[in-house]
Amino acid sequence: AQKITQTQPGMFVQEKEAVTLDCTYDTSDPSYGLFWYKQPSSGEMIFLIYQGSYDQQNATEGRYSLNFQKARKSANLVISASQLGDSAMYFCAMREAQGGSEKLVFGKGTKLTVNP
Amino acid sequence: EPEVTQTPSHQVTQMGQEVILRCVPISNHLYFYWYRQILGQKVEFLVSFYNNEISEKSEIFDDQFSVERPDGSNFTLKIRSTKLEDSAMYFCASSEVFSTDTQYFGPGTRLTVL
Repeated sequence: AQKITQTQPGMFVQEKEAVTLDCTYDTSDPSYGLFWYKQPSSGEMIFLIYQGSYDQQNATEGRYSLNFQKARKSANLVISASQLGDSAMYFCAMREAQGGSEKLVFGKGTKLTVNP
Repeated sequence: EPEVTQTPSHQVTQMGQEVILRCVPISNHLYFYWYRQILGQKVEFLVSFYNNEISEKSEIFDDQFSVERPDGSNFTLKIRSTKLEDSAMYFCASSEVFSTDTQYFGPGTRLTVL
């Protein structure tokens, strides 16, 4: 079974509008972390936002916020006021604490295109 | 702002040759990682490294791969005898004190095996 599922291969949004990128996860570990990374066409992986499984509030970082619904096992990324520079691949990732694992498990990604 | 750096940005090699990919993690970070991303696919974990030894590795990380921290700043990934299927983007990452901290990625090395 997939640990991280990103069901949207591609998304389009108009500049200045908000967009939600979906991510669902599968784990039986009560302690885990969820991450979003941005990968522009240049290839680098840029950390955007982190949500811990025990965090009471949804994480926010500037225009990025994470809509964390623990019971539904979803961690959707919300980008407000989209900019042309937001066009990129976006990856959701999870790290499970069980067994002291340090690895991140990534989803397949969503390609976001921001239209002027 | 401190960042992870990687060299070279692009490496082309012949099948069967050895390659060494280099990384300089963020200076106060103690955990180091290698991931790879085959073109158009998701990012996959290869190995994590702490206190001068491998702490976790994936099934991809077989005997042809090795990692080393030869000095206080560099972290290397060696592929002994490259195969066509090793062509990928290789990312180095590092995290701070605890392995549960956020992993910051370098810009990647694109390896092309001919």
